Amino acid sequence: QVQLQESGPGLVKPSQTLSLTCTVSGGSISSAGYYWSWIRQPAGKGLEWIGRIGRFYAGGSTTYSPSLKSRVTISVDTSKNQFSLELSSVTAADTAVYYCARESFPAAGHDASDIWGQGTMVTVSS
Amino acid sequence: DIQMTQSPSSLSASVGDRVTITCRANQSISSYLNWYQQKPGKAPKLLIYAASSLQSGVPSRFSGSGSGTDFTLTISSLQPEDCATYYCQQSYSTPYTFGQGTKLEIK
Repeated sequence: QVQLQESGPGLVKPSQTLSLTCTVSGGSISSAGYYWSWIRQPAGKGLEWIGRIGRFYAGGSTTYSPSLKSRVTISVDTSKNQFSLELSSVTAADTAVYYCARESFPAAGHDASDIWGQGTMVTVSS
Repeated sequence: DIQMTQSPSSLSASVGDRVTITCRANQSISSYLNWYQQKPGKAPKLLIYAASSLQSGVPSRFSGSGSGTDFTLTISSLQPEDCATYYCQQSYSTPYTFGQGTKLEIK
């Protein structure tokens, strides 16, 4: 059974870069047909889709939310079965629980996040 | 970005009640609509995908309907363990935006 686990610093200083890693276990991150995504949730608020990576068989493909695109990089390390998130120039507004998730296609053409990590809290503060 | 609006923002219902949550998109998204359940301190859990398909392992009291811009999540007979916040998400175009959530409480 595929499981995801986020890891990384829980505290980041303003203007620095937030870096998180998601380790995939129980399956290969290179398996065709999946995207691997990051989603965040400020305390007491809703969910925000950050971006995703996938299609490694075709050279890799990343898509980012336009609101974060200038600051976000999602990458993959297939040898470690991990994918990562980097968010630069962080401010207090980036304080949130960050989730990694697998997007699958349970119906043709329809994708959904069917497996999630437990989430990791990241606080931006000096 | 496609905007998703849920109503109500919160509701309280009794065990056994039929509960309906609505989600509206600001443009047509066909049936590219997912529903998630999130309990406090936990990650969201996929309930419904493609507007009306039940995710494996999800109780049959959950159902989804709708297409275009208007969608509903229905719980046919509310159970105590259904106390949670429910989110809709459009998967029509990236960024995959979520509704603001509906907090469901048990009376």
